[in-house]
Amino acid sequence: NSKVIQTPRYLVKGQGQKAKMRCIPEKGHPVVFWYQQNKNNEFKFLINFQNQEVLQQIDMTEKRFSAECPSNSPCSLEIQSSEAGDSALYLCASSPGNTGQLYFGEGSKLTVL
Amino acid sequence: SQWGEENLQALSIQEGEDVTMNCSYKTYTTVVQWYRQKSGKGPAQLILIRSNEREKRSGRLRATLDTSSQSSSLSITGTLATDTAVYFCATDANSAGNKLTFGIGTRVLVRP
Repeated sequence: NSKVIQTPRYLVKGQGQKAKMRCIPEKGHPVVFWYQQNKNNEFKFLINFQNQEVLQQIDMTEKRFSAECPSNSPCSLEIQSSEAGDSALYLCASSPGNTGQLYFGEGSKLTVL
Repeated sequence: SQWGEENLQALSIQEGEDVTMNCSYKTYTTVVQWYRQKSGKGPAQLILIRSNEREKRSGRLRATLDTSSQSSSLSITGTLATDTAVYFCATDANSAGNKLTFGIGTRVLVRP
């Protein structure tokens, strides 16, 4: 069973609404990733953090998403204004940072009506 | 893009048969990782093979890596119905923070 906890498992939003997802990484993992997986199973890297600092993010994330990984609180990813094309499975993963292996949560499935 | 020319395949096999899936990648990577994603779950790593390795085994799994052709394969011997999943390979493009780029995936259905 996954030790990366993502909530909620499902969320349904109207276009223009905010959509917020949370992730508790595996204990002791300093690196956290967010990926978007579409209905064709394609992955899109969104952003990663080391501790509380952003390592990399794509343009879309910078422009339309708000993401953070505060210490002693869940990480979060929030779409500021949902669009139909944002409908996807949002996967959070954590890593100890030295093995390259990612440990994924079960994802938050977003449907934008 | 980094990828990854593992066109989406769908394979249907009988339990007990062996299966091999392939992927190719475009840019240098320090490792190739193979992940399995079962329906309704997040991906889980199966095996990691480093750029200085040609083959890696783990139980019923065997991964190969050919850095000259930038390709990797994953074989599963004696498949079980529980191996039904989508399988992805992923590379790191030697990027900072271990960012992985995933291929399209191979859907494997193992019929009992």
